[in-house]
Amino acid sequence: GAGVSQSPRYKVTKRGQDVALRCDPISGHVSLYWYRQALGQGPEFLTYFNYEAQQDKSGLPNDRFSAERPEGSISTLTIQRTEQRDSAMYRCASSLGALVSEQFFGPGTRLTVL
Amino acid sequence: AQSVSQHNHHVILSEAASLELGCNYSYGGTVNLFWYVQYPGQHLQLLLKYFSGDPLVKGIKGFEAEFIKSKFSFNLRKPSVQWSDTAEYFCAVNEDGNQFYFGTGTSLTVIP
Repeated sequence: GAGVSQSPRYKVTKRGQDVALRCDPISGHVSLYWYRQALGQGPEFLTYFNYEAQQDKSGLPNDRFSAERPEGSISTLTIQRTEQRDSAMYRCASSLGALVSEQFFGPGTRLTVL
Repeated sequence: AQSVSQHNHHVILSEAASLELGCNYSYGGTVNLFWYVQYPGQHLQLLLKYFSGDPLVKGIKGFEAEFIKSKFSFNLRKPSVQWSDTAEYFCAVNEDGNQFYFGTGTSLTVIP
């Protein structure tokens, strides 16, 4: 596709439910990043992949959060047993190389946990 | 861990005024530096980046930024802002090959 896409764009869920957020990076991009952005804050790093390998997951807040990129393309961020404090914008970005290069961001998924 | 500080949280300017947004980071080693912009209703876009070489970097839409290593700074500038520059601006820092750290953002409002 022309850019990074994310789905759903908006997700409202009840506390305790599991949610899966999807990111479809730009075709051919090696690196994929997940961020969480609270209102009035900058993006906060969660995790990133080079190809299918998860390189760094130090930003995941706890073990309810997990991410995968099984075929080195589409990635899924899963939040189990959601809590109200998980409400935020979840952003995905991809970049061309395994070494640092420009990140291209998707539109984000706005998650609201009731 | 890296930290990125943007001291101006909200800036209001009249059209044609000059702009300077501050960005400071904490890491003393080799870094790559970025400014991203988010226009209302849109997603984050790259304004400019610094990897190496000339510390004065030119970006899109007349923006520039200067890397001053001794001050750990990468301030964003524009000589004459326009109403269309109203947006949220984020500074970001990367330590080669590792995660990105973003500042908290500066909201710029330009009054026509």
